[in-house]
Amino acid sequence: DAGVIQSPRHEVTEMGQEVTLRCKPISGHDYLFWYRQTMMRGLELLIYFNNNVPIDDSGMPEDRFSAKMPNASFSTLKIQPSEPRDSAVYFCASSLASTGGTDTQYFGPGTRLTVL
Amino acid sequence: AQKVTQAQTEISVVEKEDVTLDCVYETRDTTYYLFWYKQPPSGELVFLIRRNSFDEQNEISGRYSWNFQKSTSSFNFTITASQVVDSAVYFCALSDDQGGSEKLVFGKGTKLTVNP
Repeated sequence: DAGVIQSPRHEVTEMGQEVTLRCKPISGHDYLFWYRQTMMRGLELLIYFNNNVPIDDSGMPEDRFSAKMPNASFSTLKIQPSEPRDSAVYFCASSLASTGGTDTQYFGPGTRLTVL
Repeated sequence: AQKVTQAQTEISVVEKEDVTLDCVYETRDTTYYLFWYKQPPSGELVFLIRRNSFDEQNEISGRYSWNFQKSTSSFNFTITASQVVDSAVYFCALSDDQGGSEKLVFGKGTKLTVNP
């Protein structure tokens, strides 16, 4: 079975440019999560969706960040305009809807973003 | 407030030694879930275990074992007879109803280096 798929794996861009990160969750999973990992702040949840609907975006750093999930098999995280401090590894994860409590999140390989 | 503390930032052992990674959590909920993830040098996050607060039985999976003690709010992870391939950063995570039932709060991670 395919796991969570993210693209691109690496992105290098210049400050001010728009960056779009993509994620395909595991088929049948109802939840999708976007995380950011930096040395200073560790793993931070940015936003998560349930059945394509954003549930909690309190972790989104500022208005430059936006996320969409137009259908059950695709999500994007967009940064516009990008800044050097956005440099990080961005992970997407997905999980099943579970009536038995929090289900396991399975992570994609991550996108390493470098903003020059 | 929910919190996960991994006090050991880095651990270095020699192959075949046993090593225990500590995880202490804080939550006011009686129902919560604990997780361990492994992040090898290649960067992906690999799920290891999920445990709910009502199941205090220790778990063993091959060389890996987990000790869950509610009395001390700890969920420690032991690797027996460590191998070089165990070298990675290990994260403990918590989910409870306070933070939103599907949200994970991660510790800062423990970097384990197993030397040959």
